Amino acid sequence: AQTVTQSQPEMSVQEAETVTLSCTYDTSENNYYLFWYKQPPSRQMILVIRQEAYKQQNATENRFSVNFQKAAKSFSLKISDSQLGDTAMYFCALSAGGTSYGKLTFGQGTILTVHP
Amino acid sequence: ETGVTQSPTHLIKTRGQQVTLRCSSQSGHNTVSWYQQALGQGPQFIFQYYREEENGRGNFPPRFSGLQFPNYSSELNVNALELDDSALYLCASSPPSGSSYEQFFGPGTRLTVL
Repeated sequence: AQTVTQSQPEMSVQEAETVTLSCTYDTSENNYYLFWYKQPPSRQMILVIRQEAYKQQNATENRFSVNFQKAAKSFSLKISDSQLGDTAMYFCALSAGGTSYGKLTFGQGTILTVHP
Repeated sequence: ETGVTQSPTHLIKTRGQQVTLRCSSQSGHNTVSWYQQALGQGPQFIFQYYREEENGRGNFPPRFSGLQFPNYSSELNVNALELDDSALYLCASSPPSGSSYEQFFGPGTRLTVL
């Protein structure tokens, strides 16, 4: 079974500053993907960033980057130069191989508020 | 390219009734997954359909059922509605296997059971 844990229910940051959201996970699969999804108040879930487990290099997408620690099963999201539009619920999610292919297991979410 | 669409946007039902939610997958995607998201929680996997067959199911009772059609669109049916079924129901489609396991989400259907 796969589990994903986000231990920060809420976070806040000032505009232009940097914030890091935490996530830990557990899976027995060797082949898996990790994702950060963003769900703004309008509710449509949008992919922020993706990390393949077999890649050691941390993924980056513009202002968003991850710190993937495979041995520790940790996958944190760093948002640099925070913008008001980054205000949303952020979900960490895991998609493992084998019989769990294509099934996303989500964490509980972190509400991020960016203040002007 | 059209993204994932869902209908209706909102729905209000009473306990014991039945409901059908609909989803059109993104062009070129042959897999559809359904998730239930309770207020303030992360989505929970209900089931997945691939080539019109159920391809994995989460911890949901049999009164949650689904269909996938030849054009890869999908329906989620819930019988004998209970108050706890009130949630946002999300549909997600994904491209053929061999890609990145990424799923693309629709805007959701908000179901309220009174």
